[in-house]
Parts: sequence; structure tokens; C-alpha cells
Amino acid sequence: AQTVTQSQPEMSVQEAETVTLSCTYDTSESDYYLFWYKQPPSRQMILVIRQEAYKQQNATENRFSVNFQKAAKSFSLKISDSQLGDAAMYFCAYRSGYNQGGKLIFGQGTELSVKP
Amino acid sequence: DVKVTQSSRYLVKRTGEKVFLECVQDMDHENMFWYRQDPGLGLRLIYFSYDVKMKEKGDIPEGYSVSREKKERFSLILESASTNQTSMYLCASSWGSGNQPQHFGDGTRLSIL
Repeated sequence: AQTVTQSQPEMSVQEAETVTLSCTYDTSESDYYLFWYKQPPSRQMILVIRQEAYKQQNATENRFSVNFQKAAKSFSLKISDSQLGDAAMYFCAYRSGYNQGGKLIFGQGTELSVKP
Repeated sequence: DVKVTQSSRYLVKRTGEKVFLECVQDMDHENMFWYRQDPGLGLRLIYFSYDVKMKEKGDIPEGYSVSREKKERFSLILESASTNQTSMYLCASSWGSGNQPQHFGDGTRLSIL
């Protein structure tokens, strides 16, 4: 069975600085997708960024980028120029390319605080 | 924008009650999901459905059942609520699989007394 591990329960960053959130996963599959979701306090969970396993190029969305190391099964999220609105719980998630229905397997989450 | 609506933000019920959590999506998504979110455990899948009247167990289905009579609506049922089912419940929907994201509702914080 696949597992996703986020080893940092809490992280803190100074406004305008850069922070990296870690995520590792375990799978024997070759076809899969990885996601980072953001859950602001008392607000809806939203997609931050996604990565297809077959793509070597790291995904980027504005200030958010990933470092996808397929051999190491690592999928870290880098937030550049951190803003107060980035404060949230961040979840890493895995989706198999083989299962019907597209269910996600989530990590435990990392709570990010941003200091002004 | 996709809208996933959960019927209640906060709900308080008593032990032994039958509890219904409702979720409606407006984007004709095939797939719908119910997760439970607990501190330190992330989100755990309870049940999901990839078509009307189709359902599959997730990782923690015990004590729960689901119903999907219409494509847009997915209900989670706690047959006989217990205190260990006090949690945040999140509904999500998605179109297809692959890199298609799941879209989440606001969540229902359920307390069982």
C-alpha cells in the first residue's frame, strides 16, 4: 500500500523569506500523481500545485514550486517570498494512476505560520 | 468555479443517534469522496463513489455508510454515532482521475456527545 509522510508537523517562516515543506512517499507503482493542498484556518482546502510522475520537469505555480525527486520518492514544496496569506495547513497527497475513482492518499500535514 | 456544498458547518449529536451528512457538487463530477480529518493524522478516506449508486470502501469505513442516488449528491451516514466519531468531515468531488484535482467543501465539524 502507498503511504505519504510529512515529517514536519509545524514550520515557521518570516514574511518575504523562502520556506520548504518536505514530503516523502512510498510506492511500487510507476504511474502516479502528486499534489500539494493548502487549508487556511477555517477555510476550504484548495489545490496549490500538482506533478505528474512521468514528467521530469518540476512544476511551478507563481511563488510555489516543487522539487520532485522520483528516485528518492521525495516531493517538497518551496514557497518563495512568503506572504501572511500563506499561513495554513499544507497537505501532500498521492494518487495512483491505476485505481478507478482517483482517490487521494494524504500525509499528516504541516502547519505553516508566517511571521510579519 | 466548482462548488462543493456541505449541509452543515457545525453539528452536535448524541451517542447512538443516526447522523446524516450531506454533500452536493454542481460540476457534474463523476467521483465523490468523504474524508475524516483529525490532528496529526491528516485526511483519511472513509468512502468514495465513482458513479451513481456505486461506492467503495476507503481506509476507515467501519461505523459509516454512504448513499449516492443522484450524481450531484453524496451522503455520509453514521449508523449509530459514537464519541470516537467526533471529527472534521470533508467532502470532495473530481472529474475523472489522473491529474484532475479534487475540489473540497468547507467541512462539517461534528461533535458526538
